[in-house]
Amino acid sequence: AQKITQTQPGMFVQEKEAVTLDCTYDTSDPSYGLFWYKQPSSGEMIFLIYQGSYDQQNATEGRYSLNFQKARKSANLVISASQLGDSAMYFCAMREYGLTGGGNKLTFGTGTQLKVEL
Amino acid sequence: KAGVTQTPRYLIKTRGQQVTLSCSPISGHRSVSWYQQTPGQGLQFLFEYFSETQRNKGNFPGRFSGRQFSNSRSEMNVSTLELGDSALYLCASSLEGRSETQYFGPGTRLLVL
Repeated sequence: AQKITQTQPGMFVQEKEAVTLDCTYDTSDPSYGLFWYKQPSSGEMIFLIYQGSYDQQNATEGRYSLNFQKARKSANLVISASQLGDSAMYFCAMREYGLTGGGNKLTFGTGTQLKVEL
Repeated sequence: KAGVTQTPRYLIKTRGQQVTLSCSPISGHRSVSWYQQTPGQGLQFLFEYFSETQRNKGNFPGRFSGRQFSNSRSEMNVSTLELGDSALYLCASSLEGRSETQYFGPGTRLLVL
């Protein structure tokens, strides 16, 4: 079963408007972290925002916020005031901490291609 | 601080050859992970090294291997290349800790002909 699901292959948004990119996840591990990365056409993955499963508040980083709904197992990324430079592929990823908490393994969704228009 | 660096950035090989890719993590980061990105399979975890030991391994054949040196630099090797190995190979490094973020390098684009 897919652990991370991103159902929007492509999205368009007008410059200066807000956009929400959807992400749902599946895990039986009570301790996990959720990440969003941006990948421009150059290929490099740029970290945007992190949410821990035990965090009480939704994470925010500048224009990025994460709408974390634990019961629904969703972690949607909200970009406010979109800019042309936001056009890129966006990936949601999860790291399950397990009993030991050790190890780095990110499981990625299939991504959402965002295009910001004038 | 310098970011994660990967060399080479681009590589063309032929089937049956082998290839070695290099990754230098951010200073102070002891965990290095490798990912393969293809249009068909997306981003897939290859393996992770921490303090010169492989700590996690993805579901890839034994042709894919890696190692980490005492300075945390890591290499991955693919032997007997196949056309399907054509991909963007991304390396990421992080500090140790649950909430620590993995920071990615620019990747190596490998084309197998």
